[in-house]
Amino acid sequence: EAGVAQSPRYKIIEKRQSVAFWCNPISGHATLYWYQQILGQGPKLLIQFQNNGVVDDSQLPKDRFSAERLKGVDSTLKIQPAKLEDSAVYLCASSSGGGAFEQFFGPGTRLTVL
Amino acid sequence: RKEVEQDPGPFNVPEGATVAFNCTYSNSASQSFFWYRQDCRKEPKLLMSVYSSGNEDGRFTAQLNRASQYISLLIRDSKLSDSATYLCGAGGFKTIFGAGTRLFVKA
Repeated sequence: EAGVAQSPRYKIIEKRQSVAFWCNPISGHATLYWYQQILGQGPKLLIQFQNNGVVDDSQLPKDRFSAERLKGVDSTLKIQPAKLEDSAVYLCASSSGGGAFEQFFGPGTRLTVL
Repeated sequence: RKEVEQDPGPFNVPEGATVAFNCTYSNSASQSFFWYRQDCRKEPKLLMSVYSSGNEDGRFTAQLNRASQYISLLIRDSKLSDSATYLCGAGGFKTIFGAGTRLFVKA
């Protein structure tokens, strides 16, 4: 069974530029998550989708971050404009059910903002 | 207070040692609990789910204490390959992860 796919794996941009990340979850998984993981910290949930609806985006900095999950499968996360403090690994995960279910993570996108 | 707190670490242990990680959670409505392993520069991988009755998988044993709101992970007979960061997660509406505890197993 294919796992969660993410691209790109690495991205280096300058502050104030924009960037987008893509995620394809495990086939059949209804719930998709985007996490931000800063070095030395645990993953922090940015947004959680159930099919193509947003379940939780309480920690998403909505002035600069946006995410969508059209058709309830693939998802994109965008940052515009980026700040230095956005340097982190952006992890996508999926699960067959909601937050109480086991989640499976993709390899992540390592973002460096200069 | 953080929603999920873990031992700060790092833990440095010799091969063959037994090591225990503790994790506390603040949301009493949490329904499910997990331990993930994360290698350096890799994604978290599910190690085991934690059930009310506790569960064991080879050298790994997880326990849940709902009354005290903590979960634990015990690793027996540590191997060099166990060196990693161990993340605990408490799930309900959403899963909250702790900051992780780094384990170094040395020869």
